[in-house]
Amino acid sequence: SQTIHQWPATLVQPVGSPLSLECTVEGTSNPNLYWYRQAAGRGLQLLFYSVGIGQISSEVPQNLSASRPQDRQFILSSKKLLLSDSGFYLCAWSPGESTDTQYFGPGTRLTVL
Amino acid sequence: SQKIEQNSEALNIQEGKTATLTCNYTNYSPAYLQWYRQDPGRGPVFLLLIRENEKEKRKERLKVTFDTTLKQSLFHITASQPADSATYLCALYTGGFKTIFGAGTRLFVKA
Repeated sequence: SQTIHQWPATLVQPVGSPLSLECTVEGTSNPNLYWYRQAAGRGLQLLFYSVGIGQISSEVPQNLSASRPQDRQFILSSKKLLLSDSGFYLCAWSPGESTDTQYFGPGTRLTVL
Repeated sequence: SQKIEQNSEALNIQEGKTATLTCNYTNYSPAYLQWYRQDPGRGPVFLLLIRENEKEKRKERLKVTFDTTLKQSLFHITASQPADSATYLCALYTGGFKTIFGAGTRLFVKA
């Protein structure tokens, strides 16, 4: 069966510091991968998606970036965090041949102080 | 502008009753619509998907309807239990790799 991991689970970072969040998927090949951010009381906001190694599409211009160095690894990064980057970050995957149902990881709670 | 709205931020019902959650959207023509459950501090979990040519879909105590004329989906939980307490998200697939999520409705089921 497929599983998706995210780490860390929680993170408190000062403004201006770098960020690296990691997501890995097991039990499937060539998945579509997604990064979302969820602010309190708001819907999930799609940040990036990837259909293959090295292929990244950005949905929202911001100071975040994403990379996919391996088939089942997706990384969310920032060189300098802003207060507005605080939120709940979710990684998700869907089968490579399908974009409908997405399966979410446990999430990372990021607080920027 | 395109919008997706879920009814009231919170819904309180008594155990054993049917919970009905509403999802309304404007200016979308989704190919399908999904419902997810999210517990506090956790990622959403997929529950049901209903396509534009389907009127109703059921899974155990769950039922989803999809009215593309009204641009509305209803999500029902019959014989609700305290363990059903969670936030339920409506999501529209609008094409490509884009799925639009609603803000969710928090459901509280009292014993």
